Formats: sequence, C-alpha cells, structure tokens
Amino acid sequence: GENVEQHPSTLSVQEGDSAVIKCTYSDSASNYFPWYKQELGKGPQLIIDIRSNVGEKKDQRIAVTLNKTAKHFSLHITETQPEDSAVYFCAANLYNQGGKLIFGQGTELSVKP
Amino acid sequence: DAMVIQNPRYQVTQFGKPVTLSCSQTLNHNVMYWYQQKSSQAPKLLFHYYDKDFNNEADTPDNFQSRRPNTSFCFLDIRSPGLGDAAMYLCATAADQRSGEQYFGPGTRLTVT
Repeated sequence: GENVEQHPSTLSVQEGDSAVIKCTYSDSASNYFPWYKQELGKGPQLIIDIRSNVGEKKDQRIAVTLNKTAKHFSLHITETQPEDSAVYFCAANLYNQGGKLIFGQGTELSVKP
Repeated sequence: DAMVIQNPRYQVTQFGKPVTLSCSQTLNHNVMYWYQQKSSQAPKLLFHYYDKDFNNEADTPDNFQSRRPNTSFCFLDIRSPGLGDAAMYLCATAADQRSGEQYFGPGTRLTVT
C-alpha cells in the first residue's frame, strides 16, 4: 500500500541551530504535503503545507521543500527555540482516495536551551 | 475561538462499557474525520464523513461506529471497549475532500480500566 517514510525519528539540536526533517512518499498522484506539529497531550497543528505546483514555501522560520521527481519533501526550521520542541508529522494526500492523508511516523524534536 | 472542539478531553470507561466521544466544529466544513492515535505513533484514520456520506476504513473494527446528525457534530461510539482501545481519539475537519487541508481538534484521551 501507499506509505510515507519520515526521518529521523528523534532529533536533538541546540537552541539557535537549524533542524531538518525529511519525508519520502510512494503515491505518484499525491499533490498536497502538510506538516503538523503535535505538542504533548494536544492535537496536531497544521504549521505549513505545500502543493505540487511549487518547489518551496517559507513562513518566517519554517520552510518546506518539495522534489516531485524524487518524491521527497523536507521541513526546515531555522533559529530553533525551546518552544519548537514537539513531535512533527509529515503527510501526503492520497488523491485517488478522496484526498485522505497518510502520515509519516513522526519526528520528536528536542531543542536544548 | 476554538474551531474544532472535542468533548470530553479525558474519558475513563470500563472494559466492555459503551462510550461516546463527541466532536463539533464551527468551520462549516463538509468533511469530518476520526483518527485513533496510540502513544508514539502517527494518527490512524478510522472513518470519515463527506457531508452525510460515511466512509469506513477497511481495517476499522466493527466495534467502532460513527454518527453525524448535522454538519457541525460528529460522534464516535465504541460499543465494547477493550484494553487495546485505550488511545487518543482525534477529530479533524476539511472544507472538502480534494483540498487536503485538515484541521484537528485537541483530542480525547480514552482510558479503559
């Protein structure tokens, strides 16, 4: 079946450093790729997304890049802060299945002050 | 300002005792989803409604049922909870199936004793 692979599963960085999380997907028809941040005990929060007609999108300290040929997309967080510590999930839509999302396994990001 | 509301936030039920979780939304979105999320795992889609059309995932146990009496509300019924059903249950909404953008509620943490 279709799947999304996410790496790394855990990531520890020093405050102020950059963090990069990478995902690969299998469904060639996928055209929407969101990233969610989930803090402990809370629901996932949509932080940024990208559609297949663009290669990069940026929102302040967060950016996402997409390589459709390689079926690869990444989340970049610059100038990390302790409040960025959370679990991050990437996802890809299953266009031919009513737009359902398939999630990566998650990355636990820890930003040390 | 909460757009997707879940009640209760924490629910304790006994083994085999039916339980109902509720979700409401102020976004007037057509699509509502129910996910199950176990510790350190990605959300797993149980089923979704597109308007009044119910779509069950193939691997969702019969023990899980859902109702959507109107656009704003959706319920998750667990007929006979087992210990393995202890999890976070997340409700999400989307304007339509193709847009892909899903917005999650805060979740209900279910404990089965």
